[in-house]
Amino acid sequence: NAGVTQTPKFQVLKTGQSMTLQCAQDMNHNSMYWYRQDPGMGLRLIYYSASEGTTDKGEVPNGYNVSRLNKREFSLRLESAAPSQTSVYFCASSGSWNQPQHFGDGTRLSIL
Amino acid sequence: QKEVEQNSGPLSVPEGAIASLNCTYSDRGSQSFFWYRQYSGKSPELIMFIYSNGDKEDGRFTAQLNKASQYVSLLIRDSQPSDSATYLCAVNSGNTPLVFGKGTRLSVIA
Repeated sequence: NAGVTQTPKFQVLKTGQSMTLQCAQDMNHNSMYWYRQDPGMGLRLIYYSASEGTTDKGEVPNGYNVSRLNKREFSLRLESAAPSQTSVYFCASSGSWNQPQHFGDGTRLSIL
Repeated sequence: QKEVEQNSGPLSVPEGAIASLNCTYSDRGSQSFFWYRQYSGKSPELIMFIYSNGDKEDGRFTAQLNKASQYVSLLIRDSQPSDSATYLCAVNSGNTPLVFGKGTRLSVIA
């Protein structure tokens, strides 16, 4: 019973490089989310997908793109990484808006 | 802008005491309320959720909701050092994602 699986767990990039963070859930949830968490800033929503085929911007979308590949998978792409994007990234999913979100283990991303 | 406010702490309590964590929210139409626990270096983990006014108990944890005063609290009875973590409050208002508070850091002293 994996829940929400994120890959990779750790990554170091150089400024300007691109990469995609992967997220998959096996709970048949409709909604999926990407957050970043920085010290003292709490969880900040980057993008979300209410259902398969839809995506919307959250609080801090600049510098990121997302793809809801199918109901299970929701990826986050950094096209040209910047040091300000050094953070811990969490993917989450939920059945609907008023149901709990379940989180993956996170990706620790450092950009030099 | 929908806001969820929590005291950042740290809240220090002795082992065996009751820890009381509070959260206020700005949107009077909020409908669903969640408490998460996050250990250092780990992901948030759901502890409890509450939808109706009043108390909801689960083991050592009690969630209390007062919609008229727009606050939700989490009580932890018989606090243990293993309860030391950051506790996040999250609130849902209609067809939008949860809004998370920044969390309260709890330290239980043995």
